[in-house]
Amino acid sequence: GAVVSQHPSRVICKSGTSVKIECRSLDFQATTMFWYRQFPKKSLMLMATSNEGSKATYEQGVEKDKFLINHASLTLSTLTVTSAHPEDSSFYICSPGREPNYGYTFGSGTRLTVV
Amino acid sequence: KQEVTQIPAALSVPEGENLVLNCSFTDSAIYNLQWFRQDPGKGLTSLLLIQSSQREQTSGRLNASLDKSSGRSTLYIAASQPGDSATYLCAVSPDSGNTPLVFGKGTRLSVIA
Repeated sequence: GAVVSQHPSRVICKSGTSVKIECRSLDFQATTMFWYRQFPKKSLMLMATSNEGSKATYEQGVEKDKFLINHASLTLSTLTVTSAHPEDSSFYICSPGREPNYGYTFGSGTRLTVV
Repeated sequence: KQEVTQIPAALSVPEGENLVLNCSFTDSAIYNLQWFRQDPGKGLTSLLLIQSSQREQTSGRLNASLDKSSGRSTLYIAASQPGDSATYLCAVSPDSGNTPLVFGKGTRLSVIA
């Protein structure tokens, strides 16, 4: 399957600052990128879907101004958590679109802790 | 709206046992079903992908079955090992397009040495 590189794997930031998470699809042209959020011992919750070169589509209840998504190329999508607060602390995972005959691949995730 | 349920939520077994994890989905009109493994604090690793036209897939000690008409899938793990301890997630794909997966809540497996 596709090789997906997600960075950073872990970040601690102060409340009020912004954090950028990068997701790179190394060997697969990701026209679409899905961004998920996962709370402890819970399943993945889709936050938004980004398409290369266009604006992201956000799920209901997800603030687009807080979670800025940029998908400017077929290999890179970024999620920026702006003015982070402790309640934004979570595990964020990206996933490029479907690979024929393989299904979906996921990044290794980013553990965000806002203090 | 598609809903995916996984039973049990947690399972603890002694090493060497064979075990079955269950997944059910409410809408049988799926394109395929994928089983993932997630270790604590890590991303998801794809284990098996079953197309809607298939009945089962095997990889090593893992065997996944699919009964699309009844909305069920099982993941069978043979001769379990402590290294199998992880959370196992079942997810269905509703169509052939770039549509996000619908996930179950997972089964947390502990294999005791």
